[in-house]
Amino acid sequence: GAVVSQHPSRVICKSGTSVKIECRSLDFQATTMFWYRQFPKQSLMLMATSNEGSKATYEQGVEKDKFLINHASLTLSTLTVTSAHPEDSSFYICSARDALNEKLFFGSGTQLSVL
Amino acid sequence: KQEVTQIPAALSVPEGENLVLNCSFTDSAIYNLQWFRQDPGKGLTSLLLIQSSQREQTSGRLNASLDKSSGRSTLYIAASQPGDSATYLCAVYTNAGKSTFGDGTTLTVKP
Repeated sequence: GAVVSQHPSRVICKSGTSVKIECRSLDFQATTMFWYRQFPKQSLMLMATSNEGSKATYEQGVEKDKFLINHASLTLSTLTVTSAHPEDSSFYICSARDALNEKLFFGSGTQLSVL
Repeated sequence: KQEVTQIPAALSVPEGENLVLNCSFTDSAIYNLQWFRQDPGKGLTSLLLIQSSQREQTSGRLNASLDKSSGRSTLYIAASQPGDSATYLCAVYTNAGKSTFGDGTTLTVKP
């Protein structure tokens, strides 16, 4: 079955540093990828929609200068949390939409802890 | 604006019981509906996808139905097992190209 690889699975960093999270579709092309964050016991919250070769579309309330998204190819999107602060600590999940059947596949998530 | 509601928010059943999870959505102009399960601290696993032209999909002990006109979908789990314990999410993909998720139903199956 289709696989989305998300890396790293867990990261601990100091406040003020930047963290990059990668999301790769391994065996299908994904013209659209999505980034979500999830706080404990809460549902997924869509942060942004990433389309290959164009600028990401951010949801209301999400700072685009803080959460940089790059979707340079049909199989890779990256989310960079710039100048991370403790309140950015969360579970970040990416998903990729298979261009052939429109099905969504999810990465395994990244647990970010900012000290 | 599409809104997705899942009822109940939590469900606890004894092993072996059949159960139904509900998902309702406000805008029937959908492209497809997908059910996922999420285990604590992990990503999401796709269970079933129903295209807007379909009425149901089956995979093993799982059966998902879709009634687009009434804005409802159900996920039926037969002969539940402790391994089925997880949070189940439904997501509606609209023709506008967005997915909207429900808040999920947390299922606990007791041995």
